[in-house]
Amino acid sequence: QKEVEQDPGPLSVPEGAIVSLNCTYSNSAFQYFMWYRQYSRKGPELLMYTYSSGNKEDGRFTAQVDKSSKYISLFIRDSQPSDSATYLCATPPQGGSEKLVFGKGTKLTVNP
Amino acid sequence: GAVVSQHPSRVICKSGTSVKIECRSLDFQATTMFWYRQFPKQSLMLMATSNEGSKATYEQGVEKDKFLINHASLTLSTLTVTSAHPEDSSFYICSARGEAGGPSYNEQFFGPGTRLTVL
Repeated sequence: QKEVEQDPGPLSVPEGAIVSLNCTYSNSAFQYFMWYRQYSRKGPELLMYTYSSGNKEDGRFTAQVDKSSKYISLFIRDSQPSDSATYLCATPPQGGSEKLVFGKGTKLTVNP
Repeated sequence: GAVVSQHPSRVICKSGTSVKIECRSLDFQATTMFWYRQFPKQSLMLMATSNEGSKATYEQGVEKDKFLINHASLTLSTLTVTSAHPEDSSFYICSARGEAGGPSYNEQFFGPGTRLTVL
């Protein structure tokens, strides 16, 4: 089993929709979780960083961690065409920022 | 702040040649940089961790004699793909860890990537 599994997508939604992106992880010892956004032919940029369970909100983005089910989610409210990108979940298996392990990424397209 | 650049952004080379990719932290000092490889529709796979002034630590399955990493200063790490072959064609991305003691020490900042095509 891979350390981080991510819904492959692709996902296509109309502008204004609520988007739900999800990942599962294998090791209950993982504590830190990140969501990165990667535009085509660009490097990833950090969107959200969470520790432990619960929700974290930043503007239209909400990151959620459910440690009991080893499930992490990123919600995007009022999605915009500019949100069209690949979203990757990641975690440092050994804590800190060494050796990030990434999910495969979900390609999102928001249609105007 | 926390900008990482890569050069070149795209390179095409003949099989058997060597290619050098530079990764620079523009406005901060990075003692640790990371090199990733990303194949189409695949995730980023860590190749190696580069620490300034010391030898890189390679992930299992990555040939250290083929992918030479040099991190000679706090703002520059280079990846040299030696004797490149078509199967080395990929998107190479570096990242730099935030400055030690700073608020972003636990964050990685990614460069824009270098697309390598080996003919």
